[in-house]
Amino acid sequence: DAKTTQPNSMESNEEEPVHLPCNHSTISGTDYIHWYRQLPSQGPEYVIHGLTSNVNNRMASLAIAEDRKSSTLILHRATLRDAAVYYCILRDPYNFGNEKLTFGTGTRLTIIP
Amino acid sequence: DAGVTQSPTHLIKTRGQQVTLRCSPKSGHDTVSWYQQALGQGPQFIFQYYEEEERQRGNFPDRFSGHQFPNYSSELNVNALLLGDSALYLCASSPPPGVEGTLEEKLFFGSGTQLSVL
Repeated sequence: DAKTTQPNSMESNEEEPVHLPCNHSTISGTDYIHWYRQLPSQGPEYVIHGLTSNVNNRMASLAIAEDRKSSTLILHRATLRDAAVYYCILRDPYNFGNEKLTFGTGTRLTIIP
Repeated sequence: DAGVTQSPTHLIKTRGQQVTLRCSPKSGHDTVSWYQQALGQGPQFIFQYYEEEERQRGNFPDRFSGHQFPNYSSELNVNALLLGDSALYLCASSPPPGVEGTLEEKLFFGSGTQLSVL
């Protein structure tokens, strides 16, 4: 499984943008980049995913480097409810029969009021 | 629409006992995966069930077994419990490929069962 590297923790002030980095230098051509987050006392929840182009949804934006060896999850205006552990995961949808998510330890995001 | 539901939410067992955890997938989902999350760690994949068969398995011993029923709900069984089995057990479901217009179907997780082995 392709590996991702994330900082262990980050802090951000409330109502400011947050940029969460992820390195994935061994990414393959068919790996999608997924982000999940885990709020306290809950299971992980899907945030966003992409392949090559930058992606936006109601929760966040995903900026993918041109060489695809790194990506950044962007929360445009952090709120206290965004305090969570954020996981960057690579997943190959064409690897049928190998559909598991391989989680690392993620980045623990703390929001300062 | 109920999401993924797991029961019980908390469970306390002693070493050597057996435990069964239950999961009901989100409506329309046919695939169920189980994950174990130790304190301070990311979830680790145990196995996945599809069409009532174990389709993929992670690096867990045979003490961990599962089952999927015709209504797609699933059970995780752990025999001969060890202290190290204490963890949050998460169930995740996903729809058939293409349901959401893409092969990349996202997983929906339940809130988990917190198992403590004493």
